[in-house]
Amino acid sequence: GAVVSQHPSRVICKSGTSVKIECRSLDFQATTMFWYRQFPKQSLMLMATSNEGSKATYEQGVEKDKFLINHASLTLSTLTVTSAHPEDSSFYICSARDGSGGQETQYFGPGTRLLVL
Amino acid sequence: AQKITQTQPGMFVQEKEAVTLDCTYDTSDPSYGLFWYKQPSSGEMIFLIYQGSYDQQNATEGRYSLNFQKARKSANLVISASQLGDSAMYFCAMRGETDKLIFGTGTRLQVFP
Repeated sequence: GAVVSQHPSRVICKSGTSVKIECRSLDFQATTMFWYRQFPKQSLMLMATSNEGSKATYEQGVEKDKFLINHASLTLSTLTVTSAHPEDSSFYICSARDGSGGQETQYFGPGTRLLVL
Repeated sequence: AQKITQTQPGMFVQEKEAVTLDCTYDTSDPSYGLFWYKQPSSGEMIFLIYQGSYDQQNATEGRYSLNFQKARKSANLVISASQLGDSAMYFCAMRGETDKLIFGTGTRLQVFP
């Protein structure tokens, strides 16, 4: 089946630094990618929708200047957490949709655990 | 607005027994899709099963089946012959015409020997 990878799987950083997370679709072209955040024992919350070659669409309450999303190609989207603070510590998961598939073809990456000290 | 509700924060089931995880939804979209995902402690989201709103038959995938009752707006997941490896969080999700996949709060399933 389709595979979506994320890198890094874990990152620890100091408060104030920026962290970049990569999401790649390995065997299909993803016209649309989604970024989710999951706090412990909670559900996945959609942060933004990323379309190749255009600006991301952010959900209400998500700061676009803090969470920079770049979908530079059909296989790569990046999320940069700028000036990270401890409250940004969370599990970030990307999801990629196969543009050639049907409704069910949305695949998730393994996630990135971010800890901001 | 779309909404997914999972009312069971936790469920227990004995190995080899069947278990039903509840999910209700609300949407005004005429066309939508319903999904179930499994999330083990590692965090990855594993796709289990999909049901389209216009599908006439309930979806089945191996030991997973989806009990779709459109009039009641419910899409319960049935896991037959539970295995110890089924212990995980299970999320119900819906995609409507906005193309966004929205998740419920999840149900933690514990399978015991």
